[in-house]
Amino acid sequence: GAVVSQHPSRVICKSGTSVKIECRSLDFQATTMFWYRQFPKQSLMLMATSNEGSKATYEQGVEKDKFLINHASLTLSTLTVTSAHPEDSSFYICSAIRGSVEETQYFGPGTRLLVL
Amino acid sequence: GQQLNQSPQSMFIQEGEDVSMNCTSSSIFNTWLWYKQDPGEGPVLLIALYKAGELTSNGRLTAQFGITRKDSFLNISASIPSDVGIYFCAGYPLSNFGNEKLTFGTGTRLTIIP
Repeated sequence: GAVVSQHPSRVICKSGTSVKIECRSLDFQATTMFWYRQFPKQSLMLMATSNEGSKATYEQGVEKDKFLINHASLTLSTLTVTSAHPEDSSFYICSAIRGSVEETQYFGPGTRLLVL
Repeated sequence: GQQLNQSPQSMFIQEGEDVSMNCTSSSIFNTWLWYKQDPGEGPVLLIALYKAGELTSNGRLTAQFGITRKDSFLNISASIPSDVGIYFCAGYPLSNFGNEKLTFGTGTRLTIIP
């Protein structure tokens, strides 16, 4: 299989604090991971592409200084929402590609962030 | 950016009915994927299609990669309660070749009426 986990599954924080979300590929090495954001009743919107050992590539309109991405190993990528505000409340989902040939993205279970 | 139009937006059916939904694009895709998302969960891959005309089944689910490479459909036969959820088509546009960004459809919400 191709299992991707995320931690935490949900987090509530105060406005102004930073939150770190982890994405792990449990049974495969992922050279590329992706971070998506999904608002209620909407589709997934790609935020950034995370490549192991290099800087993440951000989509237009996504602030790289606010959403810090680190892909330090082939099985772990982290997304840090810095100085979170209520409008950052959303469902954050990561995905990973297994190997360099396969295109299929395997998704994590998501992290629900609520900023008060 | 690239958009995939999915229809219908929502479906209300009775248990046992067959379901059909489709996804269209204005440009060519070289891969089509169908995912199901349950509330509060990440999408789970149902079927992957890699060639134009390809017809692939996964249990009660059948999906096809359109000949024009601009559309795909998903059929669910004899629906059961656990089929409830949101179904997303997704794909890799040919124009993004070498760039692994996945484009998602707008989703079809399936509800089963008791």
